[in-house]
Amino acid sequence: EVRLVQSGAEVKKPGESLTISCRTFGYTFPDYWITWVRQRPGRGLEWMGRIDPDSSHTDYDPSFEGRVSISAEKSSTTVFLQWSSLQASDSGMYYCARQGQLLVPFDFWGQGSLVTVSS
Amino acid sequence: DIQMTQSPSTLSASVGDRVTITCRASQTISTWLAWYQQKPGKAPNLLIYGASTLEGAVPSRFSGSGSGTEFTLTISSLQPEDLATYYCLQYHTLFTFGPGTTVTIK
Repeated sequence: EVRLVQSGAEVKKPGESLTISCRTFGYTFPDYWITWVRQRPGRGLEWMGRIDPDSSHTDYDPSFEGRVSISAEKSSTTVFLQWSSLQASDSGMYYCARQGQLLVPFDFWGQGSLVTVSS
Repeated sequence: DIQMTQSPSTLSASVGDRVTITCRASQTISTWLAWYQQKPGKAPNLLIYGASTLEGAVPSRFSGSGSGTEFTLTISSLQPEDLATYYCLQYHTLFTFGPGTTVTIK
């Protein structure tokens, strides 16, 4: 069974760093890209970026380039999303999702990680 | 960048009604278009990909059509469990979600 299990909710102050995780189960980890999606409170879905766990190649949306970093660890079949300096506007729910093969985009999703940034 | 728009932004319909949501791309994307359903407090769920292919166990009352720049998602007979926000996603050039359409039940 394919599952993506994300780390728990975080409360941080502006300027702090943060790493959240997405651990994957039930499929061959290097074979599928993993993407991150942000959803601010009451707002829509925003594609942030993705990683190829096999090569660690990443692509980012211009809105997020330089603001976040995506990495992967093959040994634990886990993908990470990292901020070096959080802002209040980073508050929201963050989802990881598996990019399917061929014509299929994001077919399996994590449960979401809630990030709250407040002074 | 490819921009996506959806209409309407909200709609209210009765159980059994036929519901249609439109998604438009700022440039041609062939059929690299998917639809997602997001229920309150839950992660999105893939309904349709390739503009018209129904995913797995998705009920047959959902259907998708279109190519190029204009696409539609149709619910043939709205059910109470269809209360959700629906998003289109282009995956022709990286990825862009539409702004969403919230469906409520009258």
